Amino acid sequence: EPEVTQTPSHQVTQMGQEVILRCVPISNHLYFYWYRQILGQKVEFLVSFYNNEISEKSEIFDDQFSVERPDGSNFTLKIRSTKLEDSAMYFCASSSGGLDEQYFGPGTRLTVT
Amino acid sequence: GESVGLHLPTLSVQEGDNSIINCAYSNSASDYFIWYKQESGKGPQFIIDIRSNMDKRQGQRVTVLLNKTVKHLSLQIAATQPGDSAVYFCAENINYKLSFGAGTTVTVRA
Repeated sequence: EPEVTQTPSHQVTQMGQEVILRCVPISNHLYFYWYRQILGQKVEFLVSFYNNEISEKSEIFDDQFSVERPDGSNFTLKIRSTKLEDSAMYFCASSSGGLDEQYFGPGTRLTVT
Repeated sequence: GESVGLHLPTLSVQEGDNSIINCAYSNSASDYFIWYKQESGKGPQFIIDIRSNMDKRQGQRVTVLLNKTVKHLSLQIAATQPGDSAVYFCAENINYKLSFGAGTTVTVRA
């Protein structure tokens, strides 16, 4: 069964550093998403991406965040200057349509020290 | 503010019994709801969904009920098994993004 994959599984970085989280969505999907989950809290939407542009973003997704689909298979989330409060699990998801089932990856645990 | 939420943060259930997990939502315009299961260290896993033109949908051992009058959603798991132990989230799909509730932790007792 096709699945969404994410790398790395765990990223430790120092405050102020840039990080890039990588995702490979399911190959025939057209919609891509990033969510985050702070430890013990609910999953929060960050951004959706369709047709090579951002469809929607949340208040969390400020100027420090950016997304890119650099080629036909990868989807990345960049945090330009990490803060302590960026520590969380980051989940990538993809779907074939905007109202279709979103498949989630296993997540990247980001720890900012 | 939060548009979906769950009534109880934890649920302990005896193996073999049925589980019922509840969720309330506030956006009366919502028309697509999904239940996700999240096991420790993993991403959310789709369980079942329902659209607002339905009030009940059944899957394998799971049933989702939607009451639009009181804006309430529930997930019923039949014959709960140890593998059902996880955190369960309801979510709304609004403008192609998912808005998750806070989650209910289900623990299955042997």
